[in-house]
Amino acid sequence: DTGVSQDPRHKITKRGQNVTFRCDPISEHNRLYWYRQTLGQGPEFLTYFQNEAQLEKSRLLSDRFSAERPKGSFSTLEIQRTEQGDSAMYLCASSLSGSNEQFFGPGTRLTVL
Amino acid sequence: GQSLEQPSEVTAVEGAIVQINCTYQTSGFYGLSWYQQHDGGAPTFLSYNGLDGLEETGRFSSFLSRSDSYGYLLLQELQMKDSASYFCAVRAGGYSTLTFGKGTMLLVSP
Repeated sequence: DTGVSQDPRHKITKRGQNVTFRCDPISEHNRLYWYRQTLGQGPEFLTYFQNEAQLEKSRLLSDRFSAERPKGSFSTLEIQRTEQGDSAMYLCASSLSGSNEQFFGPGTRLTVL
Repeated sequence: GQSLEQPSEVTAVEGAIVQINCTYQTSGFYGLSWYQQHDGGAPTFLSYNGLDGLEETGRFSSFLSRSDSYGYLLLQELQMKDSASYFCAVRAGGYSTLTFGKGTMLLVSP
């Protein structure tokens, strides 16, 4: 396994459209995180899964955002009715229980026109 | 809520030593992590401090003082490839989620 992968790497969409991103974590990692990063800022936490259970979700996260990890392996992040303010890099990370090291994927860059 | 403060930019020359400070305000503090991110790249883990004191990993060291809500990352024998953004991040609460600072851009010149 070469690391965390994300697909697509880039997405351009029009305002109001729905988009879905996929994250494949390192295979033995049971913890999965989604972050959002804009230029000049640090990653902002969105949501966290342990196995298939979504255990934490940012209070700042709009209802337009939803995430799943149906079998405790890959995860999807969906944004409905996209807005220009959703334009950002969406990062996925994974880790093992008991480890403080999170491994980040290359991200999906979303541009909303 | 949680907040972190770190300098926005630091400059240094090759071979020098640089220290990047991070102060934080949070409840339920577990530990402080440091990540490096090159332009266009993904964040990569550097270190984690859960207890007071210094952790050393090669040319990089990280320090934590829980009583002062303060930590720093020390980079020694700077190389050009160390030019990157460095983020401190706190782990607080019952889960392992992180709150990141805004990052410090380190520019290393010849």
